Amino acid sequence: GAVVSQHPSWVICKSGTSVKIECRSLDFQATTMFWYRQFPKQSLMLMATSNEGSKATYEQGVEKDKFLINHASLTLSTLTVTSAHPEDSSFYICSATRDNQPYEQYFGPGTRLTVT
Amino acid sequence: GENVEQHPSTLSVQEGDSAVIKCTYSDSASNYFPWYKQELGKRPQLIIDIRSNVGEKKDQRIAVTLNKTAKHFSLHITETQPEDSAVYFCAASMGRQLTFGSGTQLTVLP
Repeated sequence: GAVVSQHPSWVICKSGTSVKIECRSLDFQATTMFWYRQFPKQSLMLMATSNEGSKATYEQGVEKDKFLINHASLTLSTLTVTSAHPEDSSFYICSATRDNQPYEQYFGPGTRLTVT
Repeated sequence: GENVEQHPSTLSVQEGDSAVIKCTYSDSASNYFPWYKQELGKRPQLIIDIRSNVGEKKDQRIAVTLNKTAKHFSLHITETQPEDSAVYFCAASMGRQLTFGSGTQLTVLP
Protein backbone atom coordinates (compact mmCIF):
# COMPACT_ATOMS: atom_id res chain seq x y z
CA GLY A 1 0.00 0.00 0.00
CA ALA A 2 0.86 3.72 -0.03
CA VAL A 3 1.70 4.10 -3.69
CA VAL A 4 2.15 7.52 -5.28
CA SER A 5 2.33 7.99 -9.02
CA GLN A 6 3.38 10.94 -11.16
CA HIS A 7 2.65 11.76 -14.75
CA PRO A 8 4.44 12.36 -16.99
CA SER A 9 7.74 10.75 -16.01
CA TRP A 10 9.57 13.09 -18.33
CA VAL A 11 8.61 16.04 -20.50
CA ILE A 12 10.38 18.36 -22.89
CA CYS A 13 8.81 21.71 -23.62
CA LYS A 14 9.74 24.94 -25.34
CA SER A 15 10.54 28.09 -23.47
CA GLY A 16 7.43 30.15 -22.75
CA THR A 17 4.99 27.25 -22.69
CA SER A 18 3.26 25.70 -19.66
CA VAL A 19 3.56 22.18 -18.36
CA LYS A 20 1.27 20.31 -15.97
CA ILE A 21 2.50 17.50 -13.72
CA GLU A 22 0.07 15.21 -11.92
CA CYS A 23 0.62 13.49 -8.60
CA ARG A 24 -1.77 10.77 -7.51
CA SER A 25 -2.09 8.68 -4.37
CA LEU A 26 -3.29 5.36 -5.75
CA ASP A 27 -4.43 3.44 -2.69
CA PHE A 28 -4.95 6.00 0.04
CA GLN A 29 -6.41 9.42 0.57
CA ALA A 30 -3.99 12.27 1.00
CA THR A 31 -5.20 15.53 2.42
CA THR A 32 -1.67 16.85 2.22
CA MET A 33 0.82 16.50 -0.61
CA PHE A 34 4.20 18.10 -1.11
CA TRP A 35 6.08 19.27 -4.17
CA TYR A 36 9.86 19.21 -4.31
CA ARG A 37 12.41 20.30 -6.88
CA GLN A 38 15.77 18.63 -7.19
CA PHE A 39 18.58 19.97 -9.35
CA PRO A 40 21.42 17.64 -10.43
CA LYS A 41 23.65 16.54 -7.56
CA GLN A 42 21.60 18.57 -5.08
CA SER A 43 19.12 17.83 -2.34
CA LEU A 44 15.34 17.93 -2.46
CA MET A 45 14.03 21.43 -1.89
CA LEU A 46 10.45 21.82 -0.75
CA MET A 47 8.53 24.11 -3.09
CA ALA A 48 5.07 24.01 -1.57
CA THR A 49 2.63 22.13 0.59
CA SER A 50 -0.59 21.25 -1.19
CA ASN A 51 -3.77 20.94 0.87
CA GLU A 52 -6.96 19.44 -0.52
CA GLY A 53 -9.63 22.06 -0.95
CA SER A 54 -7.49 25.02 -0.01
CA LYS A 55 -4.65 27.13 -1.33
CA ALA A 56 -1.14 25.74 -1.36
CA THR A 57 1.48 27.05 1.02
CA TYR A 58 4.61 28.10 -0.85
CA GLU A 59 8.13 28.16 0.55
CA GLN A 60 10.05 31.39 0.59
CA GLY A 61 11.47 32.23 -2.80
CA VAL A 62 9.03 30.08 -4.80
CA GLU A 63 6.87 32.13 -7.17
CA LYS A 64 3.26 31.12 -6.61
CA ASP A 65 2.18 32.67 -9.91
CA LYS A 66 4.72 30.62 -11.80
CA PHE A 67 4.22 27.29 -10.05
CA LEU A 68 0.47 26.79 -9.83
CA ILE A 69 -0.69 24.05 -7.51
CA ASN A 70 -4.18 22.59 -7.44
CA HIS A 71 -5.28 19.89 -5.01
CA ALA A 72 -8.84 19.34 -6.13
CA SER A 73 -9.39 15.87 -4.66
CA LEU A 74 -8.04 13.65 -1.92
CA THR A 75 -5.98 11.67 -4.44
CA LEU A 76 -4.76 14.24 -6.94
CA SER A 77 -2.52 17.28 -6.84
CA THR A 78 -1.23 19.06 -9.92
CA LEU A 79 1.73 21.35 -10.44
CA THR A 80 1.67 23.63 -13.47
CA VAL A 81 4.88 25.35 -14.45
CA THR A 82 3.77 28.44 -16.34
CA SER A 83 5.88 30.27 -18.91
CA ALA A 84 8.68 27.77 -18.44
CA HIS A 85 12.28 28.82 -18.94
CA PRO A 86 15.46 26.72 -19.24
CA GLU A 87 16.30 27.45 -15.59
CA ASP A 88 13.09 25.62 -14.61
CA SER A 89 14.56 22.40 -15.98
CA SER A 90 14.75 20.08 -13.00
CA PHE A 91 13.49 16.86 -11.40
CA TYR A 92 10.12 17.51 -9.76
CA ILE A 93 9.02 15.05 -7.09
CA CYS A 94 5.76 14.93 -5.18
CA SER A 95 5.00 13.14 -1.95
CA ALA A 96 1.93 12.43 0.13
CA THR A 97 1.17 11.55 3.71
CA ARG A 98 -1.60 9.39 5.05
CA ASP A 99 -4.08 11.39 7.08
CA ASN A 100 -3.64 9.17 10.14
CA GLN A 101 0.17 8.91 9.77
CA PRO A 102 1.45 12.43 9.24
CA TYR A 103 5.12 11.67 9.55
CA GLU A 104 6.04 9.22 6.78
CA GLN A 105 6.00 10.68 3.28
CA TYR A 106 5.43 8.47 0.24
CA PHE A 107 7.24 9.76 -2.79
CA GLY A 108 6.23 9.70 -6.42
CA PRO A 109 8.74 8.55 -9.05
CA GLY A 110 9.48 12.09 -10.15
CA THR A 111 9.10 14.05 -13.38
CA ARG A 112 12.12 15.15 -15.38
CA LEU A 113 11.34 18.53 -16.98
CA THR A 114 13.58 19.87 -19.71
CA VAL A 115 12.85 23.31 -21.11
CA THR A 116 14.51 24.10 -24.44
CA GLY B 1 12.97 27.31 10.15
CA GLU B 2 14.75 23.99 10.47
CA ASN B 3 18.26 23.58 9.07
CA VAL B 4 19.85 20.17 8.54
CA GLU B 5 23.55 19.73 7.87
CA GLN B 6 24.93 16.46 6.55
CA HIS B 7 28.50 15.12 6.38
CA PRO B 8 30.41 13.87 4.53
CA SER B 9 29.29 14.84 1.04
CA THR B 10 31.11 11.85 -0.45
CA LEU B 11 32.17 8.60 1.15
CA SER B 12 34.03 5.67 -0.37
CA VAL B 13 34.40 2.39 1.49
CA GLN B 14 35.60 -1.08 0.66
CA GLU B 15 33.00 -3.77 0.34
CA GLY B 16 32.37 -5.32 3.74
CA ASP B 17 33.44 -2.23 5.68
CA SER B 18 31.09 0.03 7.61
CA ALA B 19 29.85 3.45 6.53
CA VAL B 20 28.72 6.26 8.83
CA ILE B 21 26.89 9.40 7.78
CA LYS B 22 26.16 12.20 10.24
CA CYS B 23 23.54 14.92 10.39
CA THR B 24 22.82 17.80 12.73
CA TYR B 25 19.59 19.72 13.03
CA SER B 26 18.82 23.13 14.44
CA ASP B 27 15.24 23.04 15.75
CA SER B 28 14.82 21.18 19.03
CA ALA B 29 11.12 20.76 18.22
CA SER B 30 11.94 18.30 15.41
CA ASN B 31 10.83 14.83 16.44
CA TYR B 32 11.03 12.62 13.36
CA PHE B 33 14.26 11.74 11.54
CA PRO B 34 14.09 9.59 8.40
CA TRP B 35 16.92 8.46 6.15
CA TYR B 36 16.47 8.00 2.42
CA LYS B 37 18.44 6.24 -0.27
CA GLN B 38 18.17 7.70 -3.75
CA GLU B 39 19.51 6.13 -6.91
CA LEU B 40 20.10 8.27 -9.97
CA GLY B 41 16.83 9.43 -11.51
CA LYS B 42 14.72 7.56 -8.97
CA ARG B 43 12.51 8.53 -6.08
CA PRO B 44 13.92 8.71 -2.52
CA GLN B 45 13.41 5.40 -0.73
CA LEU B 46 12.91 5.36 3.04
CA ILE B 47 15.45 3.00 4.57
CA ILE B 48 15.02 3.70 8.27
CA ASP B 49 13.51 6.33 10.53
CA ILE B 50 13.58 7.22 14.20
CA ARG B 51 11.36 9.22 16.51
CA SER B 52 12.70 11.56 19.16
CA ASN B 53 11.63 9.29 22.02
CA VAL B 54 14.05 6.59 20.84
CA GLY B 55 17.84 6.72 20.95
CA GLU B 56 18.67 3.96 18.53
CA LYS B 57 16.97 1.78 15.96
CA LYS B 58 18.35 -1.10 13.93
CA ASP B 59 17.14 -2.98 10.89
CA GLN B 60 19.50 -5.72 9.75
CA ARG B 61 22.65 -3.98 8.43
CA ILE B 62 21.28 -0.47 8.96
CA ALA B 63 21.08 1.44 12.22
CA VAL B 64 20.31 5.01 13.20
CA THR B 65 21.29 6.75 16.42
CA LEU B 66 19.85 9.97 17.78
CA ASN B 67 21.32 12.35 20.33
CA LYS B 68 18.61 14.87 21.16
CA THR B 69 20.80 16.87 23.49
CA ALA B 70 23.42 17.45 20.85
CA LYS B 71 20.82 17.57 18.08
CA HIS B 72 22.53 15.10 15.83
CA PHE B 73 21.72 11.73 14.34
CA SER B 74 23.73 9.23 12.38
CA LEU B 75 23.23 6.43 9.87
CA HIS B 76 25.37 3.32 10.22
CA ILE B 77 25.60 0.73 7.47
CA THR B 78 27.56 -2.42 8.27
CA GLU B 79 28.92 -5.04 5.88
CA THR B 80 28.50 -2.72 2.94
CA GLN B 81 27.75 -4.17 -0.48
CA PRO B 82 28.12 -2.65 -3.96
CA GLU B 83 24.34 -2.28 -4.18
CA ASP B 84 24.51 0.10 -1.21
CA SER B 85 26.14 2.64 -3.55
CA ALA B 86 23.73 5.59 -3.88
CA VAL B 87 23.04 9.04 -2.50
CA TYR B 88 21.78 9.06 1.07
CA PHE B 89 19.75 11.91 2.54
CA CYS B 90 18.86 12.58 6.15
CA ALA B 91 15.84 14.67 7.02
CA ALA B 92 14.15 16.19 10.04
CA SER B 93 10.52 16.96 10.72
CA MET B 94 8.34 18.29 13.49
CA GLY B 95 5.11 17.33 11.79
CA ARG B 96 4.40 16.87 8.13
CA GLN B 97 7.13 18.98 6.50
CA LEU B 98 10.55 17.45 5.91
CA THR B 99 13.80 19.39 5.77
CA PHE B 100 16.50 17.45 3.94
CA GLY B 101 20.24 17.38 4.40
CA SER B 102 22.50 18.01 1.44
CA GLY B 103 23.13 14.34 0.72
CA THR B 104 26.05 11.89 0.83
CA GLN B 105 27.27 10.03 -2.24
CA LEU B 106 28.26 6.61 -0.94
CA THR B 107 30.43 4.44 -3.15
CA VAL B 108 31.15 0.86 -2.13
CA LEU B 109 34.26 -0.41 -3.88
CA PRO B 110 34.32 -4.12 -4.73
